Amino acid sequence: DVKVTQSSRYLVKRTGEKVFLECVQDMDHENMFWYRQDPGLGLRLIYFSYDVKMKEKGDIPEGYSVSREKKERFSLILESASTNQTSMYLCASSLAGEIVNTEAFFGQGTRLTVV
Amino acid sequence: AQKITQTQPGMFVQEKEAVTLDCTYDTSDQSYGLFWYKQPSSGEMIFLIYQGSYDEQNATEGRYSLNFQKARKSANLVISASQLGDSAMYFCAMREGSGTASKLTFGTGTRLQVTL
Repeated sequence: DVKVTQSSRYLVKRTGEKVFLECVQDMDHENMFWYRQDPGLGLRLIYFSYDVKMKEKGDIPEGYSVSREKKERFSLILESASTNQTSMYLCASSLAGEIVNTEAFFGQGTRLTVV
Repeated sequence: AQKITQTQPGMFVQEKEAVTLDCTYDTSDQSYGLFWYKQPSSGEMIFLIYQGSYDEQNATEGRYSLNFQKARKSANLVISASQLGDSAMYFCAMREGSGTASKLTFGTGTRLQVTL
């Protein structure tokens, strides 16, 4: 059974803290994605990675960075958390290459609250 | 500009009726894929159906079918014989291009409520 695991289901952090959200997949997928989900705004892409140490900005990268040191792990970093980063964060992974028909598999999500 | 547009924030349908959820997309790529996902209140994202830009036939998966109109850039999801368990958020998504760096973009979603 395919699996994408996010390290925390719920997280509460203080303004200004450095926050790490971890995501691990066991499917040997090349692509990994970080989204945030807010009511009325759907899923917005923050960053994605298509290989180890390779990353591309999504639609809302400001205030975030990412790290992919190993193929199976993709970390989202909030350098200095702010209250407007309170949201649900979803990680996903998929195959890459000459394949557009591969679905993305999602983690269970991390609900982050910044106080 | 929005790549994926879902114009229906919420929809109601009676049990056993069919419902169409709208999705339009914007791309200049010749090769792209369109996906629909379901998100129940539990929060997990469930893949429902896929349509490729070169596919000539509309995709079907059980009670789900995708009404693909390439010239109009629309990819509407049709759910036949709605069930109470179909109540959820539904997201349309697009994957553009091929190769290593093909990102997956989602719409804002439609909340479907199935009533008795």
